[in-house]
Amino acid sequence: SQKIEQNSEALNIQEGKTATLTCNYTNYSPAYLQWYRQDPGRGPVFLLLIRENEKEKRKERLKVTFDTTLKQSLFHITASQPADSATYLCALDIDYGGATNKLIFGTGTLLAVQP
Amino acid sequence: EAQVTQNPRYLITVTGKKLTVTCSQNMNHEYMSWYRQDPGLGLRQIYYSMNVEVTDKGDVPEGYKVSRKEKRNFPLILESPSPNQTSLYFCASSPSRDRDEQYFGPGTRLTVT
Repeated sequence: SQKIEQNSEALNIQEGKTATLTCNYTNYSPAYLQWYRQDPGRGPVFLLLIRENEKEKRKERLKVTFDTTLKQSLFHITASQPADSATYLCALDIDYGGATNKLIFGTGTLLAVQP
Repeated sequence: EAQVTQNPRYLITVTGKKLTVTCSQNMNHEYMSWYRQDPGLGLRQIYYSMNVEVTDKGDVPEGYKVSRKEKRNFPLILESPSPNQTSLYFCASSPSRDRDEQYFGPGTRLTVT
């Protein structure tokens, strides 16, 4: 069956360290992958998009990698801060052919950065 | 300010009482969609619309209706709500269907008793 897996357990790290979140998928062939941040009680906010032919994408303290062989994306936050504490969602953009594509979301990983 | 708005933000209702959750965006986006978010299941798409008068089912459309009469509005209608529709609902929009980032609304927490 098709599946997207993100760590269901919270990731606790110390301020200043690099946080690494994982998104694994099976039986999908996404053309694009997106990462979102979601704070409690609020809507997800877009962070980064990476294409299948890109290995890595950076934006300020954020870095995303996309390995289509391993079927995995890694999301890194360097020099993490308590304000980075949130749930992070990965979303696979699946091409259904023709004019149809769809975003499939993972369940998210809660990141807690301790001061 | 570019945004997606939803109303109401919180709603408690009873089984069978028709309700509408409104969604509006001010970014002239073509693509709009509705998601529900449940613990352990993540965000699941209910319906989407690629343009005015063009709507289609997502992954969990049963029990919901939508309409897109104007570009900016995309209401979600529950004709006869049931307790299994208790959830957190998000409306989202994007410039087009083509892999664009989604702009999400603030969410509507619905409880059906």
